[in-house]
Amino acid sequence: DIQLTQSPSFLSASVGDRVTITCRASQGISTSLAWFQQKPGKAPKLLIYAASTLQSGVPSRFSGSGSGTEFTLTISSLQPEDFATYYCQQLNSYPLTFGGGTKVEIK
Amino acid sequence: QVQLQESGPGLVKPSETLSLTCTVSGDSITDYYWSWIRQPPGKGLEWIGYIHYSGSHYSGSTNYNPSLKSRVTISVDTSKNQFSLEVRSVTAADAAVYYCARGSDIPRLAPVLDYWGQGTLVTVSS
Repeated sequence: DIQLTQSPSFLSASVGDRVTITCRASQGISTSLAWFQQKPGKAPKLLIYAASTLQSGVPSRFSGSGSGTEFTLTISSLQPEDFATYYCQQLNSYPLTFGGGTKVEIK
Repeated sequence: QVQLQESGPGLVKPSETLSLTCTVSGDSITDYYWSWIRQPPGKGLEWIGYIHYSGSHYSGSTNYNPSLKSRVTISVDTSKNQFSLEVRSVTAADAAVYYCARGSDIPRLAPVLDYWGQGTLVTVSS
């Protein structure tokens, strides 16, 4: 199975900050990666797929980059509604796997 | 607008079978990859598997997580626009919020989970 390691596991940030979350894969997965946002008590929401393609309706302050084994999710200017937990998921091979999550909290 | 809604018992006894149904509205159950994902309380996400039903597959083709494959069945009921999950011989480790989701076919990727149900909590206890 492909293991995904997210860092940091937790980060504290202020509204307006630029935030970057990293996801590292245990083996190369080209650009076969998605990012999700999950708020407490809610289902995950798809933000980005194919490493950098923004899902329809997702604000442009979210962006993704990377290929191979290292990927990043960037929020260019953190908004109050962005405080949540973020997960990466690899879409390269089965079984599909998720990273452990990064919780973004208000400083 | 596509909507998915999970339903089923919230409490299952150890060694028994967990059965959940996902009702899809706003879209046909034909095509797409209808998926199940679970999340133990306070923990991360685990992909369970999917079923892909098309006109050429009478019962749908499935793909399961090997960690659960021996205990899991995903099936589809096209007449009701629903798909279902069974997990047999449950233990406390199967307690989780179970989500159903739609997987869309994107070239060179496994199905991308673009619509999700709200999730349903299943507790395993005698």
